[in-house]
Amino acid sequence: GDSVTQMEGPVTLSEEAFLTINCTYTATGYPSLFWYVQYPGEGLQLLLKATKADDKGSNKGFEATYRKETTSFHLEKGSVQVSDSAVYFCALSDLSGSARQLTFGSGTQLTVLP
Amino acid sequence: ETGVTQSPTHLIKTRGQQVTLRCSSQSGHNTVSWYQQALGQGPQFIFQYYREEENGRGNFPPRFSGLQFPNYSSELNVNALELDDSALYLCASSLAGSNEQFFGPGTRLTVL
Repeated sequence: GDSVTQMEGPVTLSEEAFLTINCTYTATGYPSLFWYVQYPGEGLQLLLKATKADDKGSNKGFEATYRKETTSFHLEKGSVQVSDSAVYFCALSDLSGSARQLTFGSGTQLTVLP
Repeated sequence: ETGVTQSPTHLIKTRGQQVTLRCSSQSGHNTVSWYQQALGQGPQFIFQYYREEENGRGNFPPRFSGLQFPNYSSELNVNALELDDSALYLCASSLAGSNEQFFGPGTRLTVL
């Protein structure tokens, strides 16, 4: 079945540091890939997405490129802020029967210190 | 545009009881999915509803059941609660065929 493997956390960075969170996936079809963010006590918010190979998703300074050859979708940001502290989930969406379900990684806790 | 809403926010039940969680989908969205997120884990797909029918299910036992209503809102019912059912339950809505799902804030269920 489909699966997503994320870099283990927690990750602690100083403000303005460079961020990379690794994500690799296994899927039988041609999935769409997503990064979701979860702030304390809240649900999931879509951060960015990519629907086919070599697509780059970007939002709020975050970027990720769909790499089919390495089955990866690593999240990057050039300069993190304290407000970026949250849990980040990599996910894929594939068609299972007639349902499009999301398969998530285990999440990476990011803490940014001032 | 109203986003996905869920009720209640928190719930405490005892083992063996039954619980019903509710979800209102985002305006115009006709598909609802439910996920279980255990503490420190990623969400796990429970099932999806479209046109008031279940059209996909994850690896959850039959005591997890659901409904979708004509206005696209949905319920998740869990019978014979177990301690391991303690989790955050997330509802997500989408348009049929879309790969983008929009999540509600979740219901925190604690089973004692």
